[in-house]
Amino acid sequence: ETGVTQSPTHLIKTRGQQVTLRCSSQSGHNTVSWYQQALGQGPQFIFQYYREEENGRGNFPPRFSGLQFPNYSSELNVNALELDDSALYLCASSLSTSSYNEQFFGPGTRLTVL
Amino acid sequence: GNSVTQMEGPVTLSEEAFLTINCTYTATGYPSLFWYVQYPGEGLQLLLKATKADDKGSNKGFEATYRKETTSFHLEKGSVQVSDSAVYFCALDNNAGNMLTFGGGTRLMVKP
Repeated sequence: ETGVTQSPTHLIKTRGQQVTLRCSSQSGHNTVSWYQQALGQGPQFIFQYYREEENGRGNFPPRFSGLQFPNYSSELNVNALELDDSALYLCASSLSTSSYNEQFFGPGTRLTVL
Repeated sequence: GNSVTQMEGPVTLSEEAFLTINCTYTATGYPSLFWYVQYPGEGLQLLLKATKADDKGSNKGFEATYRKETTSFHLEKGSVQVSDSAVYFCALDNNAGNMLTFGGGTRLMVKP
């Protein structure tokens, strides 16, 4: 069974650019959540996708957007990058939206905005 | 809104010492509570969880009890090992939707 994978591992962008991060969920998992983890801080919830629809959103501006595909893999898109967007971006998948089902986290994508 | 507060680290202990990492939360209703661990160079892993008041979660010698009266979920281990060195995160889910609110994390360093 393959775990949650994310690509790329590292990424460097300049302010104002756009970026797309990718996540492949664990087999059979229909729910993907994205988190932003700034250096030395805890992860912050960005949004969640369930069966290709956005199911919930944290306190992030609209320039953070996402997609979920029929195979339940997911993308996080960030437009008009700002320096404060530099962080580790984590995705997590689970069997459903219930907290009784464990979330499995990927290794993350390290984004640096210069 | 929901929030989680953890004791600031780093916490430095000698091998076989007793560990406590404090965690308190603010939330309406009855959240589920979690401890996650992040080992160096690895992703977040669920360590243990509790879904209702007075439940005790336990795993790998770690345990935490959901105390609604004190809104706390402190992590304890009786005898730490060097391999327990990692960053520990307390988290809650307040609407049973797997949308977690995390604390700031506590770095644990165990010396031989």
